[in-house]
Amino acid sequence: QQQVKQSPQSLIVQKGGISIINCAYENTAFDYFPWYQQFPGKGPALLIAIRPDVSEKKEGRFTISFNKSAKQFSLHIMDSQPGDSATYFCAGSDGSGNTGKLIFGQGTTLQVKP
Amino acid sequence: EPEVTQTPSHQVTQMGQEVILRCVPISNHLYFYWYRQILGQKVEFLVSFYNNEISEKSEIFDDQFSVERPDGSNFTLKIRSTKLEDSAMYFCASSRTGHMNTEAFFGQGTRLTVV
Repeated sequence: QQQVKQSPQSLIVQKGGISIINCAYENTAFDYFPWYQQFPGKGPALLIAIRPDVSEKKEGRFTISFNKSAKQFSLHIMDSQPGDSATYFCAGSDGSGNTGKLIFGQGTTLQVKP
Repeated sequence: EPEVTQTPSHQVTQMGQEVILRCVPISNHLYFYWYRQILGQKVEFLVSFYNNEISEKSEIFDDQFSVERPDGSNFTLKIRSTKLEDSAMYFCASSRTGHMNTEAFFGQGTRLTVV
């Protein structure tokens, strides 16, 4: 019940296109859903996050869409750029335990072609 | 910009040996974490640490693992008797609180190779 399932495993998008990564969660106690971006040789870094009381959050070219009834959320990268090429992880967190633990999805490797 | 730093960046050890992975969290952060990422797989939670004690641990974090904050700045992960399957990238992270919406900052990782 702790799992977060992420798809696709890899994604190739042309420069200027829209990249879409999907995640589904099982634990209804999750109340915080961050997306992390990881470049080779680096640790994951927070990109954008959402709470389940909103259906969408936008920061620049990055948008999270959240569907609480379906227990799904997705990351949309508009006008994708070669510099966006990285691995993206969705995650869920149950804040009730106050431990900050994150449960990550399997990751999506995005390649944006020039 | 403050960052989480980890040493060493790469550690090679023989099976059965003890290893200590070191981390310096961001100075005003109170919650500390270890995660691991086996090559090509997802990032997995190992343990969270607050107020000098473990606040939560995963099933992976068995008796061969321990964590310590020995001097108020470093945060270490000890693996007592390494196994081949412990080979992975280990990430340390820290956050100001354990509440939701609090960003966890990750270090660059230590790649552990057990031979």
